[in-house]
Amino acid sequence: AQSVAQPEDQVNVAEGNPLTVKCTYSVSGNPYLFWYVQYPNRGLQFLLKYITGDNLVKGSYGFEAEFNKSQTSFHLKKPSALVSDSALYFCAVRDVNTGFQKLVFGTGTRLLVSP
Amino acid sequence: AAGVIQSPRHLIKEKRETATLKCYPIPRHDTVYWYQQGPGQDPQFLISFYEKMQSDKGSIPDRFSAQQFSDYHSELNMSSLELGDSALYFCASSLRENTGELFFGEGSRLTVL
Repeated sequence: AQSVAQPEDQVNVAEGNPLTVKCTYSVSGNPYLFWYVQYPNRGLQFLLKYITGDNLVKGSYGFEAEFNKSQTSFHLKKPSALVSDSALYFCAVRDVNTGFQKLVFGTGTRLLVSP
Repeated sequence: AAGVIQSPRHLIKEKRETATLKCYPIPRHDTVYWYQQGPGQDPQFLISFYEKMQSDKGSIPDRFSAQQFSDYHSELNMSSLELGDSALYFCASSLRENTGELFFGEGSRLTVL
C-alpha cells in the first residue's frame, strides 16, 4: 500500500530562517505526492504536488519541495519563514493502485515560527 | 472560483442520535471523497463516490452510510452516534482522470455529547 511518513511531530524555526518539513514515501510505481496545510479549525489547503518532471516543485506562498527518488523523500522547504506560516502540514500520496485515487496522509507536522 | 461546500459547519448531537452531513463538490468534478479527522489526528479516508457509485471504501463504520445524488452532491449519514465520532469531517472532490490534487471543503465539526 502507498504510504508517507512524517518523522517530526513539530518543527520550530525563527522568522526569516529557512524551514524544512520532512516527508518520506513508500509507493509501488510512480509516486504522486502532495503537500497540504491546515490552519486551526480550517480545511486542508493544497500547497504543491509532484507528478512528474522537475524534482524541484514550486507551490503556493513561497513553498517548494524537492523530490528525491534515491532517498524516497519529498521534503517541504521555504527559504524564509513567516510567523503566518505556523500551521499543521500534511504530506500525502495519491493511492492509484485501486484506480480510485484517494489521498493517503502522513501524521502531520506542526510548524511553529517564532517572531 | 467555486469551492467545495460543506454543511453544516458545526453540529452538536447526543449519543445514539443521528446526523447527516452534506457536501457540494466543485462543478464538473465527478468524484467525491469523505475523510474523518479526529482531534490531533491525520485525516482518515472513509469512502468515495465516482459518478454516483461507491468507488472505494476505507475505515467507515457500519453505522455510517453515504451516497452521491444525481446533482453530484453527497451526504454522509451517521447513526447511533458515539462519543468517539466527534471529529472534523471533510469532503473533497476531484476529476477522476486527473492525477492532481483533491480539493477540500472547510469541514463539518461534529461534537457528540
